[in-house]
Formats: sequence, C-alpha cells, structure tokens
Amino acid sequence: EIVLTQSPSTLPLSPGEGATLSCRASQNLGNNYLAWYQQKPGQAPRLLIHGASRRATDIPDRFSGSGSGTDFTLTISRLEPEDFAVYYCQHYGSSSRLIFGGGTKVDIK
Amino acid sequence: QVQLVQSGAEVKMPQSSVNVSCKTFGGTLGTRGISWVRQAPGQGLEWMGGIIPIIGSTNYAQSFQDRVTMTLDESTNTAYMELTSLTSDDTAVYYCVRVRDLLRTWGPFDIWGQGTMVTVSS
Repeated sequence: EIVLTQSPSTLPLSPGEGATLSCRASQNLGNNYLAWYQQKPGQAPRLLIHGASRRATDIPDRFSGSGSGTDFTLTISRLEPEDFAVYYCQHYGSSSRLIFGGGTKVDIK
Repeated sequence: QVQLVQSGAEVKMPQSSVNVSCKTFGGTLGTRGISWVRQAPGQGLEWMGGIIPIIGSTNYAQSFQDRVTMTLDESTNTAYMELTSLTSDDTAVYYCVRVRDLLRTWGPFDIWGQGTMVTVSS
C-alpha cells in the first residue's frame, strides 16, 4: 500500500515569499499520476496540478509542480494573500491506488 | 461551465443509512466518471469510490466495499451515494467530484460539489 507523506505539516510564511511543499511516496509512482489541490476553510478543494507538473485550467502560473518517482514538489513562487490554505497531494494510479497525503497548511507568519 | 450541486446536510442515527445526491448543471457528464470523497472534521481527504456513466461501472475503496452503493440517473444527470450501517466515524463532509480523465473513476478531480455534511449522532 502506497503512503504519501507531506511535509512540512505547517509552513508559516509572509505574502510575497516563495513556498516549497513536499510530497513523498513510499513507493515509486512510476507514471507520475500525482495531483495537487488547494483547500480554503469551508470550501471544497480545488485542483491545481495534475500529471505532477501540468497546471489545471485557470490556475495562475505562480503555481508549479515538479518531481518524479517518489519525490514531488509544489512550488508557489510568490505568495498572494489568497494562497494561504491547506494543500493536498494525491496519487491516482488506479482504482485500488487512489490516495491523498495528509496535507500542508500554509499559514501567515 | 459544469457545476455539481449536492443535496443538503443530514443528521442520522447510528446504524441507519444516508443517501446523498449530486446533480450536474451546465452540461452532461458524458464519459467522465463521478467519484465521492469524504473529509471528517479537521481531517484529510478520503476517496470512497466512483461510477462511470454510460457503462455504469463502479469501483469502491476497500474500506467502504460492504457499505456503499453509487448509482447514476443519466436522464437527470444526477449521481447518488448511499452509505449504510452508519457510525459516528462516518460524520464528515461528503463531496462528489468529476474525474478529469475519461472512462475512469480515479484520476485528478477537476470539479467538486459544494459538499454535504453528514452527522451521525444518537
């Protein structure tokens, strides 16, 4: 069973700073079926990145995804006030391999 | 712009069942699957399973296999999720989601419903 570990659990930053979020898989994901979501309080998650590095529709280019194998990264180049939220990674390899990481909360410092 | 609109909040007794609906507006599902994801209070996301229109194929996560049924009424573009034998551990927000990739129940989820809060309490 694949486990996705996100780090850090909380990331205190200021607007304008860059953010680097990590998602590590317990096994090689091979096909890079890795997505990232943003969730704000009281809202449903929103798809940011799929296929490890492809931005979803209407997602600003300050969000980028990278990585392969077991190590994946979501980078936010310059934090805007609306970017402070919880971010989840997801592996979607098959119907028996669909899991989420535990999340990283990007907090205002 | 496709939107998923879910039914309202529910309060259920332990050992009862809940049925949550998810209606598609602004388009049809076509061959894109609908999955269900839940989120317990203050917790992360958990995939429950999904269903593919037209062929009606379902996939359920192992932890829900015995208690969940997902169906589709394509004439009204509405998906349903029934969860039985409820316990307090089932208290959560339940989301229906559209699968981005065609003919799959798994994949990146590109459209989310607004969520339905289900509270299980005696």
